Amino acid sequence: EVQLVESGGGVVRPGGSLRLSCAASGLTFDDYGMSWVRQSPGKGLEWVAGINWSGGTTGYADSVKGRFTISRDNAKNSLYLQMNSLRAEDTALYHCARVRGVPFTPYYMDVWGQGTTVTVSS
Amino acid sequence: QSALTQPRSVSGSPGQSVTISCTGTSSDVGTYNYVSWYQQHPGKAPKLMIYDVIQRPSGVPDRFSGSKSGNAASLTISGLQTEDEADYYCCSYAGRYTLVFGGGTKLTVL
Repeated sequence: EVQLVESGGGVVRPGGSLRLSCAASGLTFDDYGMSWVRQSPGKGLEWVAGINWSGGTTGYADSVKGRFTISRDNAKNSLYLQMNSLRAEDTALYHCARVRGVPFTPYYMDVWGQGTTVTVSS
Repeated sequence: QSALTQPRSVSGSPGQSVTISCTGTSSDVGTYNYVSWYQQHPGKAPKLMIYDVIQRPSGVPDRFSGSKSGNAASLTISGLQTEDEADYYCCSYAGRYTLVFGGGTKLTVL
């Protein structure tokens, strides 16, 4: 069974940093692209960032570009999201998800983790 | 990267059919046949229901179907069941390794 387990969430002050991790199991991790998707309390889903199988291609939502960095370590079956210059509007449940598609084009997300909560507050 | 446009809510009675629309632009839905739909029950992770506009993953009932015309995509649920009550989100590839979601639609089964 494919499992994605996020960790690293917590409470951080505005302007602070946080690094999220996603541990993958039950799949050949480097066969797939991965994404981070967030959901603010009571709000809808927002795609945040994506990375292809090798880490050589990444994409970001305009709302996080220049502040967040997605990366992966295929040897550790792990995905990361480095979040800097955090704002109150970044408060959300952050899910990692497996991406299906081709090396330079993500088509859809077919496996999701339960998420880790990030709260940005003073 | 503007969010795709979905109705805030739709409703239907058991056994009826409902259609949820998803309007994008020529930069996303209108150009790429990579529209997907997700179902989310309260407190749960999203579940893939439709991918590549019309494809259903294994295990998703054939009551769920997708379509696209121009810059708009649609999800139709026929033979509504109470367990279909959930939030539904469309999503499209938008170029340069980015994806964009719709704002979500709350389906109420009356």
